Amino acid sequence: GEEVAQTPKHLVRGEGQKAKLYCAPIKGHSYVFWYQQVLKNEFKFLISFQNENVFDETGMPKERFSAKCLPNSPCSLEIQATKLEDSAVYFCASSQRPATNEKLFFGSGTQLSVL
Amino acid sequence: QKEVEQNSGPLSVPEGAIASLNCTYSDRGSQSFFWYRQYSGKSPELIMSIYSNGDKEDGRFTAQLNKASQYVSLLIRDSQPSDSATYLCAVNGRDSWGKLQFGAGTQVVVTP
Repeated sequence: GEEVAQTPKHLVRGEGQKAKLYCAPIKGHSYVFWYQQVLKNEFKFLISFQNENVFDETGMPKERFSAKCLPNSPCSLEIQATKLEDSAVYFCASSQRPATNEKLFFGSGTQLSVL
Repeated sequence: QKEVEQNSGPLSVPEGAIASLNCTYSDRGSQSFFWYRQYSGKSPELIMSIYSNGDKEDGRFTAQLNKASQYVSLLIRDSQPSDSATYLCAVNGRDSWGKLQFGAGTQVVVTP
């Protein structure tokens, strides 16, 4: 596709429930990035993939968060046992090369609300 | 100290004036610098990238980079109401190849 597609747009979960977010990168882009935006402006890098391989996971919380990019499937970000503090907008971005000097194309985000 | 710092604003700018946004970063080895514009409730959109010291102009936007001072700025000339948004400074650090560190953003409000 010509744009990064994220689903769902909104997700509401009770504390302790599982949340799963999906991202389809732009066709031909090998790199996928997940960012968490809390309080509208604080972007936090979570993880990046080069195709189906983890490229950089230094931002991923050690517990409860996991992510995958499998061939011929949308990438996914899963949060086990959600907490109130997980409420945020989760953005996925893709690029043809690593973000060192390459434009990132962002999806429209998934708003996760944990109640 | 945050890795990328910006004034949160809001920065109020009369229509037609120049908006000046500043950003400082802590990693002296940073190599790539970006300005993103984000409208409320929308995804970030890249408006400028700069990699070497000096100025880079693109339409009404000028990015300025000073690596010695660890400082990058964005000027918006002839500001329009449609420029009202949050502007995010993003830096690719020496040890963060493949990811960007974002500032908290500066909200710009252009008043008619």
